[in-house]
Parts: sequence; structure tokens; C-alpha cells
Amino acid sequence: EPEVTQTPSHQVTQMGQEVILRCVPISNHLYFYWYRQILGQKVEFLVSFYNNEISEKSEIFDDQFSVERPDGSNFTLKIRSTKLEDSAMYFCAGRTGRYEQYFGPGTRLTVT
Amino acid sequence: AQTVTQSQPEMSVQEAETVTLSCTYDTSESNYYLFWYKQPPSRQMILVIRQEAYKQQNATENRFSVNFQKAAKSFSLKISDSQLGDTAMYFCAFMKHASGGSNYKLTFGKGTLLTVNP
Repeated sequence: EPEVTQTPSHQVTQMGQEVILRCVPISNHLYFYWYRQILGQKVEFLVSFYNNEISEKSEIFDDQFSVERPDGSNFTLKIRSTKLEDSAMYFCAGRTGRYEQYFGPGTRLTVT
Repeated sequence: AQTVTQSQPEMSVQEAETVTLSCTYDTSESNYYLFWYKQPPSRQMILVIRQEAYKQQNATENRFSVNFQKAAKSFSLKISDSQLGDTAMYFCAFMKHASGGSNYKLTFGKGTLLTVNP
């Protein structure tokens, strides 16, 4: 059964550095999402993406964040200048035309 | 804005017994979807079960079933014949039906940590 994959599984970076988190959605998925989960807290919506455009973004998704689907398969989340509070688990999710979302295994981002 | 409340931060159950996890939500929407996701120690988010608000019949998936009470805005998860592998954080999630379908973002509760004891 196809699965959403994410790389890396764990990324450690210094404050102020740029990071790119990568996701490979299931091939028939059309809609893509990023969510964030700070340790011990609930999962929060960051951004949704469809047809090479952002559909909706949350208040968390400020100018430091960007998303793109550069080659029709990968779906990336870039954080331009990381802050300590960006430390979290980042989940990519995707769906077909149906409403169920399927999640990747997550990338743990640690900002030091 | 929608909110999802899970009032039980932690629960435990003996293997082979039945446990029910509670979830309530607040919305003014009439058309929406509800989900339970499981997050084991590996941190992967796994879809357990889904319910469309327009369906009166409660969803079931093998040992997992829900009790959906639309008027009460309640959506509890029942796990029958609990297994050690059911040990995980369980998140209740709400999704508003979006015309055009491009959004469908999930709003999660804070989760219930379920431990199945041998």
C-alpha cells in the first residue's frame, strides 16, 4: 500500500538557519497539507496547497514559511530563518478528491 | 472557529477489555466530518475511523466504533478487545465541509493517551 514519506526524519539546525523539509505524497493525491505538533501539544494546521497554490494558511504560517511542489512529486516546507519556537514535529498530509487525509511519519525539527 | 475537546488526558485499559474515549466539538456548521487518529510512540499519525455528519449510522472499523451524537456534538471512540498495539495517543479531529473542496483542513483535540496493560 503506498504511503506518504518524509525526509529527513530528524533535523537539527541552529537558530537563524534555513531548513527545508521534504515530503513525497502518494501519487494520486491532489491536495497537500503541512501540520505542526509542538512536543506535548496538539497538532496544528499550517497550510494547504492545491494546483500549485496555497489554498489556506494559518496565523502560524508567516513570511518565514513557504511551500512549493518543485517537480510534481516532492512537496516542501521551507523555514527561512528558524527560531527556537519552531522546534516541533512537522507532518505532511495528502488526499485525493475525497476528504480523508493521510499523513507521513513526520520530521522532528530541533532548533538550537 | 471550530474547537475540539478531549477531556481525558490519559486512560488505561486491560488487554482484551473495552474502552471508550470521549470527544466533544463546537461548530455552527451542519455539514462536516469527524475523525479519530492514532499516534503510537513512532509518532506516525494513523487514520483509525471517520464519520460523515450527514450519516446517522455510526461508523465501525473492525474493533473500533464510534458513538456519534450530532445534537450533543459528541463523538466518542470505542475500542473493543483492546490489544497491546493499541497503546497510543488518540486524537479526535474535525473537518468542515468546504465548497470547492480545496481546503478541508483538520482541527485536532489535545489527545488522549491510552495505555493497554497486559
